[in-house]
Amino acid sequence: GEQVEQRPPHLSVREGDSAIIICTYTDSATAYFSWYKQEAGAGLQLLMSVLSNVDRKEEQGLTVLLNKKDKRLSLNLTAAHPGDSAVYFCAVRAYQGGRALIFGTGTTVSVSP
Amino acid sequence: AQTIHQWPVAEIKAVGSPLSLGCTIKGKSSPNLYWYWQATGGTLQQLFYSITVGQVESVVQLNLSASRPKDDQFILSTEKLLLSHSGFYLCAWSPGTTNTEVFFGKGTRLTVV
Repeated sequence: GEQVEQRPPHLSVREGDSAIIICTYTDSATAYFSWYKQEAGAGLQLLMSVLSNVDRKEEQGLTVLLNKKDKRLSLNLTAAHPGDSAVYFCAVRAYQGGRALIFGTGTTVSVSP
Repeated sequence: AQTIHQWPVAEIKAVGSPLSLGCTIKGKSSPNLYWYWQATGGTLQQLFYSITVGQVESVVQLNLSASRPKDDQFILSTEKLLLSHSGFYLCAWSPGTTNTEVFFGKGTRLTVV
């Protein structure tokens, strides 16, 4: 089945810097990709989703890149601010037996002033 | 707008005691519903999914069960809690099974002592 790896596990950046998180997946048939943000003790907030026919998507200081050839998905937090401090998860949509999402292992992002 | 509500917010339960967690989705008819479990500091693992009332499929066996008694309600339960059941339980919904966004509730924090 689909496997998703995410790196780095931890990321510390200064306010105004960029933070990049990368996920790799194994199933070339995967067609839907999402990024979620989880603040301490909270549920998951959907940040952005892309279909496999999209290479790049930008919204509100976030950039998602999809490289289908390398099966790599990335999230770039441009000009990070302290409010971006959270755990970020990538997720790919899977269809085996009705499974909804397969998640990466998460990246803890800390943004210092 | 659709809303998803989980209850309770948190529970502290004794090993061997029963458990019932609930989830309600408003504003969307016939949603696909999902239960996820997250160990402290870990990633998310799908437990169950339901496409329609009365039908629930298990993805991972963790000595838990789920039911969908109404179109907008999803229940997670067990008759005997184990220490390993501790964690964060998240309910989620999506409008379909293929390339659609998945939205999460705020979760229930379960501590088994």
